Amino acid sequence: DTEVTQTPKHLVMGMTNKKSLKCEQHMGHRAMYWYKQKAKKPPELMFVYSYEKLSINESVPSRFSPECPNSSLLNLHLHALQPEDSALYLCASSPSVSGAYNEQFFGPGTRLTVL
Amino acid sequence: GENVEQHPSTLSVQEGDSAVIKCTYSDSASNYFPWYKQELGKRPQLIIDIRSNVGEKKDQRIAVTLNKTAKHFSLHITETQPEDSAVYFCAASSTTGAGSYQLTFGKGTKLSVIP
Repeated sequence: DTEVTQTPKHLVMGMTNKKSLKCEQHMGHRAMYWYKQKAKKPPELMFVYSYEKLSINESVPSRFSPECPNSSLLNLHLHALQPEDSALYLCASSPSVSGAYNEQFFGPGTRLTVL
Repeated sequence: GENVEQHPSTLSVQEGDSAVIKCTYSDSASNYFPWYKQELGKRPQLIIDIRSNVGEKKDQRIAVTLNKTAKHFSLHITETQPEDSAVYFCAASSTTGAGSYQLTFGKGTKLSVIP
């Protein structure tokens, strides 16, 4: 399996809701990433997990809570979001974070709308 | 931190012509430079990459060149086809310290191939 998968594809939530985004890869990659992408902008790094441990948190608000249950799965828990958090949320994976030559492969993303 | 500039922001070419997108980076320690293609509503897809120990890499109609001295790299697409229409992002891999690396993206180039 050479793909990164994400669920759900679309999500609409109110500002008081709690929801989770899920990401899965079976390429044996040991690094996984969450990115946020607004329209007509590049992906913006949020979190990096290396060997199931959080290694980078790019000063993301606490209403976003990542979780890495095992080496194949990555979740992003959402609570009390704001309308400006509406975006495409992309998951990516790479063999590791400890080398410069790390091809990152992206999932299809979850299109999130916060009402 | 790393800073990546990408030009032009939009590019229109006639089908069959060539397209060139240019990027510059600031961190001389960066040594991996991927290019991603993102079609509307889809995931960024890695199309080609280059490592710092080579100056040029080709894959059929696409090629990437790297000038480490000048800190710039370029994507060349020959014999463009309508299906090449997309947003292209360049990126540079730089260290965050402690052996971790992350990608810094350019702002993207919207390529339109006119039939």
